[in-house]
Amino acid sequence: AQSVTQPDIHITVSEGASLELRCNYSYGATPYLFWYVQSPGQGLQLLLKYFSGDTLVQGIKGFEAEFKRSQSSFNLRKPSVHWSDAAEYFCAVGEAAGNKLTFGGGTRVLVKP
Amino acid sequence: GAVVSQHPSRVICKSGTSVKIECRSLDFQATTMFWYRQFPKKSLMLMATSNEGSKATYEQGVEKDKFLINHASLTLSTLTVTSAHPEDSSFYICSAHMTVYGYTFGSGTRLTVV
Repeated sequence: AQSVTQPDIHITVSEGASLELRCNYSYGATPYLFWYVQSPGQGLQLLLKYFSGDTLVQGIKGFEAEFKRSQSSFNLRKPSVHWSDAAEYFCAVGEAAGNKLTFGGGTRVLVKP
Repeated sequence: GAVVSQHPSRVICKSGTSVKIECRSLDFQATTMFWYRQFPKKSLMLMATSNEGSKATYEQGVEKDKFLINHASLTLSTLTVTSAHPEDSSFYICSAHMTVYGYTFGSGTRLTVV
């Protein structure tokens, strides 16, 4: 069975600083990988996804993620954080398009002024 | 873009009553819909997967008779929490999938059972 680990429960970052959120997955084949963001009391918004091809994926809001098969990782990065980036971030993995997604525990990002 | 409408956004019900949550894909036909439950400050837990016209597939540990899922059309899935109790209070989120759009999530429903 697939699983997803987000080692950091909370991350506090200063506005304008860089951000990196870690995600490690466990799955036998090449997984479908996703990063979502959730604001309090809201649904999930897709930031980016990886299915195949270029391992560096660009997403919305200035986010990018890199798939590293050797490390079973799919870390999310942003060069310069804005106060509006404060939210909960979830990494998710799926076996194939249309299959159920398994979510990591989430990382809450706090942005200091 | 793809939009999934979920309502109500908030509902309070008395213990022992049932409540229905609707999930609609507004501008596309979803081949598969998923229902998740999210506890405060926790991740999403998949409850069930449903395909139009067939019975939902429930995850292990999810009570089928308590959480009734109906997927009558390609644009509508409903989750009915039957005989709700305070421990059913949670945030419920639906997701619809279509190959072209991928997974689109509703905005969630906050259920409070008093």
